[in-house]
Amino acid sequence: DIVMTQSPDSLAVSLGERATINCKSSQTVLYNSNNRNYLAWYQQKPGQPPKLLIYWASTRASGVPDRFSGSGSGTDFTLTISSLQAEDVALYYCQQYYITPTFGQGTKVEIK
Amino acid sequence: EVQLVEYGGDLVQPGGSLRLSCAASGFTFNKYAISWVRQAPGKGLEWVSSIGGSGGDIFYADAVKGRFIISRDNSNNTVFLQMSSLRAEDTAVYYCAKDNYDSGNFYGVFVSWGQGTLVTVAS
Repeated sequence: DIVMTQSPDSLAVSLGERATINCKSSQTVLYNSNNRNYLAWYQQKPGQPPKLLIYWASTRASGVPDRFSGSGSGTDFTLTISSLQAEDVALYYCQQYYITPTFGQGTKVEIK
Repeated sequence: EVQLVEYGGDLVQPGGSLRLSCAASGFTFNKYAISWVRQAPGKGLEWVSSIGGSGGDIFYADAVKGRFIISRDNSNNTVFLQMSSLRAEDTAVYYCAKDNYDSGNFYGVFVSWGQGTLVTVAS
């Protein structure tokens, strides 16, 4: 299995400020034949199912605000919320789909 | 509008069996892989099993292989998860999730999710 490790486990950011979450995979999730990173990000609010935010490491899912962006390649990835809004308080998970899917442990984002 | 509704969660004793259902609507069902992803209370997400659009491609996590069986009924837009030899560590909310691509193949990008059904394994 590919182990996904997120950092930090939690962070508190002021409204309007930038939030950055890191995700590291135990092996590459970059498929050389199509140059795509098999990496997704999800947001989960309390009592709700996860919501897909980003796939192919940097492609926003339909309807996702452009303050959410994904970057990185190979084994190191980042989810950035450029200007934190109150509705962004949630748990965030990275997930690889290079082989059978595995998720990171989650990062809790709160308002400072 | 895509809808996924899970049914069948319950309290079951260790060693027991349970069948979960996921009823889908709002999309061409047989064109999409469907997966089960679980979340133990207060814990993270764990992929369990997936089935391709035609039902021909099936995948399981090692933790459930040999105990769980996934299947689908494309005439009734439903996916099933037959769970047996249940253990305390199987206690979780079980979500069904739709893949992002209409090729029928399993990619593992979960674009739509149900609200989940709770399975509790305890004596």
